[in-house]
Amino acid sequence: DTEVTQTPKHLVMGMTNKKSLKCEQHMGHRAMYWYKQKAKKPPELMFVYSYEKLSINESVPSRFSPECPNSSLLNLHLHALQPEDSALYLCASSHLTSGNADTQYFGPGTRLTVL
Amino acid sequence: GENVEQHPSTLSVQEGDSAVIKCTYSDSASNYFPWYKQELGKGPQLIIDIRSNVGEKKDQRIAVTLNKTAKHFSLHITETQPEDSAVYFCAARTGTASKLTFGTGTRLQVTL
Repeated sequence: DTEVTQTPKHLVMGMTNKKSLKCEQHMGHRAMYWYKQKAKKPPELMFVYSYEKLSINESVPSRFSPECPNSSLLNLHLHALQPEDSALYLCASSHLTSGNADTQYFGPGTRLTVL
Repeated sequence: GENVEQHPSTLSVQEGDSAVIKCTYSDSASNYFPWYKQELGKGPQLIIDIRSNVGEKKDQRIAVTLNKTAKHFSLHITETQPEDSAVYFCAARTGTASKLTFGTGTRLQVTL
């Protein structure tokens, strides 16, 4: 089973709202990722967690706040977003072998619209 | 850093024909090359991958070839079917890094 689940599927929020995106995997993967994908573009890496610790932050604005409560869950907390943050937010996970990342498996994404 | 170029950006083939998508990468230290298929409204799905110690890998109608000297790799889909219509992304990973560098994507349309 190579399933990564994400909730919600769709989210509409105002610029003053606070919301969270959730991601879950039960494949025993110890690396989890957040990507942002704009229409007709490839996914852009935002954050990487390795062994529940933040290992990569691709200079993402602080209005995006990731959290990894345990090895199966990954959250992305959203606050004071801008309309240009509207995009498909993808979660992915992978094994870590001797600390090295392996094949990444993606979830279906959350379609976020900021009004 | 790594840079991946992908061509063509759009590709239209008739059902039953073959489709080839090509990618080039810049970092000779890149050692892992996955291909993802993304259907409308869905997340990318891994369809095949290849590591730098292998020149070719095949899975039913899908094959990937890697030329390390020329720093390019290609996706080959034979006997295309309408359900192959999607956007395909190549990617490269350097060394032991977690980060994948994606190509710009190819929109494949298989017509009846």
